[in-house]
Amino acid sequence: DIQMTQSPSSLSASVGDRVTITCRASQSISTNLNWYQQKPGKAPKLLIYVASRLQSGAPSRFSGSGSGTDFTLTISSLQPEDFATYYCQQSYDTPRTFGQGTKVEIK
Amino acid sequence: EVQLVESGGGLVQPGGSMRLACAASGFTFSSYAMSWVRQAPGRGLEWVSAITGRGDSTSSADSVKGRFTMSRDNSNDALYLQMNSLRPEDSAIYFCAQGSSAWYNLNGEYFQSWGQGTPVTVSS
Repeated sequence: DIQMTQSPSSLSASVGDRVTITCRASQSISTNLNWYQQKPGKAPKLLIYVASRLQSGAPSRFSGSGSGTDFTLTISSLQPEDFATYYCQQSYDTPRTFGQGTKVEIK
Repeated sequence: EVQLVESGGGLVQPGGSMRLACAASGFTFSSYAMSWVRQAPGRGLEWVSAITGRGDSTSSADSVKGRFTMSRDNSNDALYLQMNSLRPEDSAIYFCAQGSSAWYNLNGEYFQSWGQGTPVTVSS
């Protein structure tokens, strides 16, 4: 199975900060990488697919980059509604696997 | 608007069985692969099982293989997960998720819509 490792596991940031979350795959997955946002008690929501494509309806302050084994999710200017947990997920192979999550908290 | 509504969760004893259902609306159900993804309390997301749009192929995680069976009824826009021989470690919220194409194993697939989840607790 492809292992997905996110860093950091959690971070504290202020409104307006630029935030970067990293996801590393245990083998090359090309650009088959998706990002989800999950708020407490809610279902995950797709943000970014195939590494850099913004899902319809997702705010443009979210962006994704990377290929191969290393990927990044960037929030250009953190907003109050962005405090949540973010997960990466590979779609290169089955079983689909997720990173362990990165919790973004208010500083 | 896409809607996915799970049902069937609850409390079951170890070794017991449970059948989850997911009612879909707002899209052409048979055109999309579907998956079940679970989340244990305080933990991350774990893909459980997937099925093609036509329902002619499924795949499951090793942790549930031989115990869980996924199926769908395209005439009624419904998805199912039959769970047998349940274990305490199967306790989780189970989400159904819509894929982005008719096949679950294509490169670049993603889960574009999710239900609100149904909780399953396996305990004596």
